Amino acid sequence: EADIYQTPRYLVIGTGKKITLECSQTMGHDKMYWYQQDPGMELHLIHYSYGVNSTEKGDLSSESTVSRIRTEHFPLTLESARPSHTSQYLCASRGTGRTYNEQFFGPGTRLTVL
Amino acid sequence: DQQVKQNSPSLSVQEGRISILNCDYTNSMFDYFLWYKKYPAEGPTFLISISSIKDKNEDGRFTVFLNKSAKHLSLHIVPSQPGDSAVYFCAASEVLTNSGYALNFGKGTSLLVTP
Repeated sequence: EADIYQTPRYLVIGTGKKITLECSQTMGHDKMYWYQQDPGMELHLIHYSYGVNSTEKGDLSSESTVSRIRTEHFPLTLESARPSHTSQYLCASRGTGRTYNEQFFGPGTRLTVL
Repeated sequence: DQQVKQNSPSLSVQEGRISILNCDYTNSMFDYFLWYKKYPAEGPTFLISISSIKDKNEDGRFTVFLNKSAKHLSLHIVPSQPGDSAVYFCAASEVLTNSGYALNFGKGTSLLVTP
């Protein structure tokens, strides 16, 4: 059973605000990912990390930033939210051993910027 | 440029019948394929996968078929149940240049199983 958590689940916020989307996993996975998904569209990778102090940008350009100070924690920050940031943000971690090729997803954060 | 394509945005099937969801890809370097199921307001959950060295993998009611020459895979659900109604995403794994890997997702197919 995968244990990966995201908070908040829903966020409505005004333009210009700084926000941080939280993601935590209790499985000790080194590799973690952030995806952005709009309705009816594919998931786009925006950030990933191979472990503590490792962060890389994904194939979809994003104004967000991430940090990885602890293995279990991979927060995503938007310094100044804009309506174009409205989307669903999904956090995932990659399994190990038998589940090495699988990514386990959190429930997502639905962000709306007014 | 989208490398994983699910050309049917939606599919409706009667309960008890077979559901067939299709996926095409363009990158011959993909080495592993996965299907995820997603309910509204939830994250995707892993369903079944297949390595590129195989052509079939079965897990209960779910079977994935891979045709490498056609760059095509399909998910069969038999028999379909109303609880299977969800969006199904096809994903393909590729190795990144810095020795990591990434999943490329299709846009999903919304399956509706009617009683």
